[in-house]
Amino acid sequence: EPEVTQTPSHQVTQMGQEVILRCVPISNHLYFYWYRQILGQKVEFLVSFYNNEISEKSEIFDDQFSVERPDGSNFTLKIRSTKLEDSAMYFCASSDLTGRQETQYFGPGTRLLVL
Amino acid sequence: AQSVTQPDIHITVSEGASLELRCNYSYGATPYLFWYVQSPGQGLQLLLKYFSGDTLVQGIKGFEAEFKRSQSSFNLRKPSVHWSDAAEYFCAVGAIQAGTALIFGKGTTLSVSS
Repeated sequence: EPEVTQTPSHQVTQMGQEVILRCVPISNHLYFYWYRQILGQKVEFLVSFYNNEISEKSEIFDDQFSVERPDGSNFTLKIRSTKLEDSAMYFCASSDLTGRQETQYFGPGTRLLVL
Repeated sequence: AQSVTQPDIHITVSEGASLELRCNYSYGATPYLFWYVQSPGQGLQLLLKYFSGDTLVQGIKGFEAEFKRSQSSFNLRKPSVHWSDAAEYFCAVGAIQAGTALIFGKGTTLSVSS
């Protein structure tokens, strides 16, 4: 069964450093998403991406964040200058549109720790 | 405001007992409802979803959920819990339009006792 994959599984970085989180969505999917889950809190939406453009973004997704689909398979989330509060589990998801019913499938997540 | 409430933070049930996890939502448009499960160290796995039609939906691993519009609820049930069901369960609501955010509840942690 096709799966969303994410690398790395864990990343530790120093405050102020740039990080890039990588995702390989399910191959025939058209919509891509990033969510995050701060420890002990709910899963929060960051951004959705379709046709090489941001489709929707949340208040969390400020200028420090960017997304890119650099090739036909990868989807990345870049945090330009990490802060302590960026420490979280980051989930990538993808979906297609079967009829009018969209289901988002999630990857295993990247746990980011900012020191 | 759009939100999902899972009133139970932690539930413990005995193996073989029945389970019901509660979910209430507030959503301005027609809600599409989901339950996801997260095992330790794993990602979010889709258990089941409701879009329209029959309000009782079946999912994987023997789970089912019932949509009650009048109560704005989408409770998850399982008649007989197995030890492997111990995990965190998330209810989520989304819109019909693709590319829009899912709104998640805070999750319910299920422990299974022998």
